[in-house]
Amino acid sequence: AQTVTQSQPEMSVQEAETVTLSCTYDTSESDYYLFWYKQPPSRQMILVIRQEAYKQQNATENRFSVNFQKAAKSFSLKISDSQLGDAAMYFCAYKWVPYTGANSKLTFGKGITLSVRP
Amino acid sequence: DGGITQSPKYLFRKEGQNVTLSCEQNLNHDAMYWYRQDPGQGLRLIYYSQIVNDFQKGDIAEGYSVSREKKESFPLTVTSAQKNPTAFYLCASSILDYEQFFGPGTRLTVL
Repeated sequence: AQTVTQSQPEMSVQEAETVTLSCTYDTSESDYYLFWYKQPPSRQMILVIRQEAYKQQNATENRFSVNFQKAAKSFSLKISDSQLGDAAMYFCAYKWVPYTGANSKLTFGKGITLSVRP
Repeated sequence: DGGITQSPKYLFRKEGQNVTLSCEQNLNHDAMYWYRQDPGQGLRLIYYSQIVNDFQKGDIAEGYSVSREKKESFPLTVTSAQKNPTAFYLCASSILDYEQFFGPGTRLTVL
């Protein structure tokens, strides 16, 4: 079974600084997607970034980028120029891509709470 | 505006009552999902549906039931058989293989 591990329950960053959130996963599959979701105090889950396992290039979305290490099964999120609005819970998630094209479920980590100091 | 709506935002249930949480989407997505979130836990999948009139159990389906009579709607019933229903419930939808989009959630409390 696939598992997603976020070992740091909490992190803190100074405004305008850079922070990296860690995530590891366990799978025997070769085709899959990885995601980072953000859950602010409103509790609305928002997709931050997505990475396809077959792509070697790390995904980037404005101030958010990932470091995807397939062999190490590691998928960390880097937030540059941290802003107060980045304070939230961040979840790493894994989704297997069956060769049949069938849908499969998302497996979530337990999340990490990020606080941003002004 | 396209999106996912969940109602009510807060719901209170007495012991032994069944309650139904609503989830509607106008994104024309085929797949819909229900998750449960508890403090200190990630999201756990309750049920999902990939097509109208079809749905599958997730990891924690016991004590819950769903229906998918319309593409836009995927209501979740929390039955009296669910022993610990107090939690935050999130509905999501997707175009099958792609990323899931989430609704704003329903907070269910058992009195």
